[in-house]
Amino acid sequence: AQSVTQLDSQVPVFEEAPVELRCNYSSSVSVYLFWYVQYPNQGLQLLLKYLSGSTLVESINGFEAEFNKSQTSFHLRKPSVHISDTAEYFCAGGKLIFGQGTELSVKP
Amino acid sequence: EAGVAQSPRYKIIEKRQSVAFWCNPISGHATLYWYQQILGQGPKLLIQFQNNGVVDDSQLPKDRFSAERLKGVDSTLKIQPAKLEDSAVYLCASSLDQVEQYFGPGTRLTVT
Repeated sequence: AQSVTQLDSQVPVFEEAPVELRCNYSSSVSVYLFWYVQYPNQGLQLLLKYLSGSTLVESINGFEAEFNKSQTSFHLRKPSVHISDTAEYFCAGGKLIFGQGTELSVKP
Repeated sequence: EAGVAQSPRYKIIEKRQSVAFWCNPISGHATLYWYQQILGQGPKLLIQFQNNGVVDDSQLPKDRFSAERLKGVDSTLKIQPAKLEDSAVYLCASSLDQVEQYFGPGTRLTVT
């Protein structure tokens, strides 16, 4: 069965620290992979996507994710987080399969 | 460019009542999706439309849920009768290329 698994439900981190949000997908998921961010009381916004080509993709606000076929992973990273990055992050792949979400909480 | 519009934003009903949600996608987007997001979970696809035709409704509980997109633009999702477990946020999304989706703000449904 197709699945996308986010390995951490909550990630607390201090401001300016690095962060990694982990996402694994089943090999049966077709390789379109996405990270969405959801701020409180708002809809999901696309953060970044991997469709083909370079395995490292970047967003405009400093996040990056690397497609790793051998490990079936698409982890999201940021070298230095800001308070405003506090939100729920969803990994998604293939035919509209979403992970369970990771709540990133950035503390001052 | 206007985003995906949804209404109402919040709705509280009693079990066994009926409810309807409305979605207006981004202009020109042929593909429209309805998702159910239960608290603490990721969105689950309920139904996907391409223009006014259904592409995928395999996870739509058809005994109580229905959706239509009669003119290939806006769409309505209905629940009749509602159950307690239908309490969730209902998200509408649209897409131009069936790859990148744009989401509306959602409708938060509480069934008491």
